[in-house]
Amino acid sequence: DAGVIQSPRHEVTEMGQEVTLRCKPISGHDYLFWYRQTMMRGLELLIYFNNNVPIDDSGMPEDRFSAKMPNASFSTLKIQPSEPRDSAVYFCASSLSQGIQTQYFGPGTRLLVL
Amino acid sequence: ILNVEQSPQSLHVQEGDSTNFTCSFPSSNFYALHWYRWETAKSPEALFVMTLNGDEKKKGRISATLNTKEGYSYLYIKGSQPEDSATYLCAFTGNQFYFGTGTSLTVIP
Repeated sequence: DAGVIQSPRHEVTEMGQEVTLRCKPISGHDYLFWYRQTMMRGLELLIYFNNNVPIDDSGMPEDRFSAKMPNASFSTLKIQPSEPRDSAVYFCASSLSQGIQTQYFGPGTRLLVL
Repeated sequence: ILNVEQSPQSLHVQEGDSTNFTCSFPSSNFYALHWYRWETAKSPEALFVMTLNGDEKKKGRISATLNTKEGYSYLYIKGSQPEDSATYLCAFTGNQFYFGTGTSLTVIP
């Protein structure tokens, strides 16, 4: 398996633009997680899905952020409109289950909002 | 929000030194404790997962122990090498998955 795939790897955009980050989890994994890494707060859980259903989105910073998982092999994280404070590295991870199973991380998307 | 705390926040050691750091977590609703290694500009990679009180895991020069009753886990690195330089994250699984803020290790050649 190729592991968790994320695209794009880097994104530079201007404030106010819409940004869409994409993730393909490892085949067969039931859980998908979106994280944001910042210098100030470390690794923050934004939202996670189980069998394509959002379970907990309490980490989503505000209404400008939305995430979808239309099928078992694809998820998106959208920011509209983007702001400079959204600049961060966004990681997607997947696992077989939530508890004991290890989460496998994608390479991340480095977002810069000017 | 649960508190998963790691200490120290950062650490510099000389090549060849052994070192250890701590992850503290709530002792209630415990399910599993994970350790990850996170190199700069890469993504976190799993080292260990432990579930039982008293568990010990080892991978090469790195080992970890778990005390679920008092809510802590230790990660040990024996004979540190420059390639061990990374941030070491622990993650507690109870009802949800909570990451600590990490210990940044720098091994000086």
